[in-house]
Amino acid sequence: KQEVTQIPAALSVPEGENLVLNCSFTDSAIYNLQWFRQDPGKGLTSLLLIQSSQREQTSGRLNASLDKSSGRSTLYIAASQPGDSATYLCAVNSGGSNYKLTFGKGTLLTVNP
Amino acid sequence: GAGVSQSPRYKVTKRGQDVALRCDPISGHVSLYWYRQALGQGPEFLTYFNYEAQQDKSGLPNDRFSAERPEGSISTLTIQRTEQRDSAMYRCASSLARGSGQYFGPGTRLTVL
Repeated sequence: KQEVTQIPAALSVPEGENLVLNCSFTDSAIYNLQWFRQDPGKGLTSLLLIQSSQREQTSGRLNASLDKSSGRSTLYIAASQPGDSATYLCAVNSGGSNYKLTFGKGTLLTVNP
Repeated sequence: GAGVSQSPRYKVTKRGQDVALRCDPISGHVSLYWYRQALGQGPEFLTYFNYEAQQDKSGLPNDRFSAERPEGSISTLTIQRTEQRDSAMYRCASSLARGSGQYFGPGTRLTVL
């Protein structure tokens, strides 16, 4: 059974700092991995999707890497802003089904002005 | 374009009542998913549709839960004889095809009194 762990559970940083969020998964036979952002009262916003054959994806100030063999992904946020404050969720699409996402519990990020 | 929509956004019901939650996926998305999210947790998979066919319902907690997607577009998740433990955020997602990135709606917050 796939298990996804996100570290840290919460993170508070001053504005402008670069930061890294970590995600680990137990079964490396994945199809793809998605990073989401969750804001209170709103849905999950897809940030980045990395296919199992890829090593990284970039979108603006966000960069996600994937090391499938070690069961790890990181989300790098450059020059953080108060608007980046949210819960960030990592979700793994396990290779067996290629449709069922297994989520971590998320990292609550607070960027202080 | 329009994203995934869900209704109602909030539902308060009394124990023992039936509830129906609706999901309208992104136009053209053939795959549709239902997840349930408890406070402080990531979403957990409930069921998956490919077009109108329910291909996986392994995540439905018990037989009080059912889902349908009769015309391959709008889906309804029905909970019969609700119990307090059913209180959660119910999230719907859709994707262009099986295995592609999933896009989530705003969710329905269900509270069972």
